[in-house]
Amino acid sequence: AQSVTQPDIHITVSEGASLELRCNYSYGATPYLFWYVQSPGQGLQLLLKYFSGDTLVQGIKGFEAEFKRSQSSFNLRKPSVHWSDAAEYFCAVGARGSYIPTFGRGTSLIVHP
Amino acid sequence: GAVVSQHPSWVICKSGTSVKIECRSLDFQATTMFWYRQFPKQSLMLMATSNEGSKATYEQGVEKDKFLINHASLTLSTLTVTSAHPEDSSFYICSASLGGNTGELFFGEGSRLTVL
Repeated sequence: AQSVTQPDIHITVSEGASLELRCNYSYGATPYLFWYVQSPGQGLQLLLKYFSGDTLVQGIKGFEAEFKRSQSSFNLRKPSVHWSDAAEYFCAVGARGSYIPTFGRGTSLIVHP
Repeated sequence: GAVVSQHPSWVICKSGTSVKIECRSLDFQATTMFWYRQFPKQSLMLMATSNEGSKATYEQGVEKDKFLINHASLTLSTLTVTSAHPEDSSFYICSASLGGNTGELFFGEGSRLTVL
């Protein structure tokens, strides 16, 4: 079975600073990888996904993530954070052939003005 | 495309009553929908997988008689919390897959249930 680790519960950055949210997964083969964002009191919105091909994936809202097989990681990055990026971010891994992804516990992003 | 909508977005009820939450796929047909529960500052806990035209598959530890799931059409799944108690207060989120077994899900807005 697959598993996901998001080691940071909270991350605080200043507006305009760069951001990296960490995600490590455990899965025996190449997984499907996702980053979702959740604003307070809302459902989850897909930021980006990796299925195959180019390991650097571009998503919405200026986010990108890089799949590193050797490190079993799929870290999310943004070069310049906006106050509206403050939210909960979830990394998820899907096993090939399964509908159901496994979610990490989430990282709460706090943005200081 | 791939829009999922939940209703109501929030509901307050008295202890002992039942509450129904609807999840609709607005622009696609969803043979499979998923119901999650989320506690404050925590991740999503999968409660059950809802399959159109058949019984839902519940995760271990989820009471099927407490959380009734019906998936009567390809665009609608409902979650009924029966005889609700304060400990059932939570944020419930549904999601649907477009298929293809990729694990990519589209989420509803969530429903906040408060049981008094």
